[in-house]
Amino acid sequence: DVKVTQSSRYLVKRTGEKVFLECVQDMDHENMFWYRQDPGLGLRLIYFSYDVKMKEKGDIPEGYSVSREKKERFSLILESASTNQTSMYLCASSPTPTLSYNSPLHFGNGTRLTVT
Amino acid sequence: DQQVKQNSPSLSVQEGRISILNCDYTNSMFDYFLWYKKYPAEGPTFLISISSIKDKNEDGRFTVFLNKSAKHLSLHIVPSQPGDSAVYFCAAREYGNKLVFGAGTILRVKS
Repeated sequence: DVKVTQSSRYLVKRTGEKVFLECVQDMDHENMFWYRQDPGLGLRLIYFSYDVKMKEKGDIPEGYSVSREKKERFSLILESASTNQTSMYLCASSPTPTLSYNSPLHFGNGTRLTVT
Repeated sequence: DQQVKQNSPSLSVQEGRISILNCDYTNSMFDYFLWYKKYPAEGPTFLISISSIKDKNEDGRFTVFLNKSAKHLSLHIVPSQPGDSAVYFCAAREYGNKLVFGAGTILRVKS
């Protein structure tokens, strides 16, 4: 069974801090994603990666960056945390370049980040 | 502007009855639609999907209907069970690997 692990369930950070959110998948998936989930807005794509050292901007990349040095690990970085980045962050992976019926996204359990 | 809309934030249904969750979209280039289910403190899990070339797909108690002309899809759960209580997200594939999600509908199934 696919396992996507996010290192922290809850984080509290101060405005201006640099924040790292870590995600590891154990199924050798090519593709990894970072979403944020906010009430009334659903899940919005921040960044995704097709391969090691490759990254693509999603719909809301401003204020974020990512790092994929190894295939199994995808990190989301908040360069200078702000209160409007308080949210639930969800990491996901998929095995194939194209999402399809038998290769949907597999999500981690999320990291609830609060920026004060 | 949201391309995938779930206009009902919540839905309450009696156990054993049908649950119908609705989703509307605006982008005619979407070619694949999915439903995800999310319990509190867990990530979303894939539930069922449908290609734009079909109008119905069934999997056990879950059926998804697609009306392309109306740009509308719905998820039917029959019979509803208390364990179905969760947040349900509709999602659409724009191209390749990119999914666009709706805001979600909270389903409560009362026993």
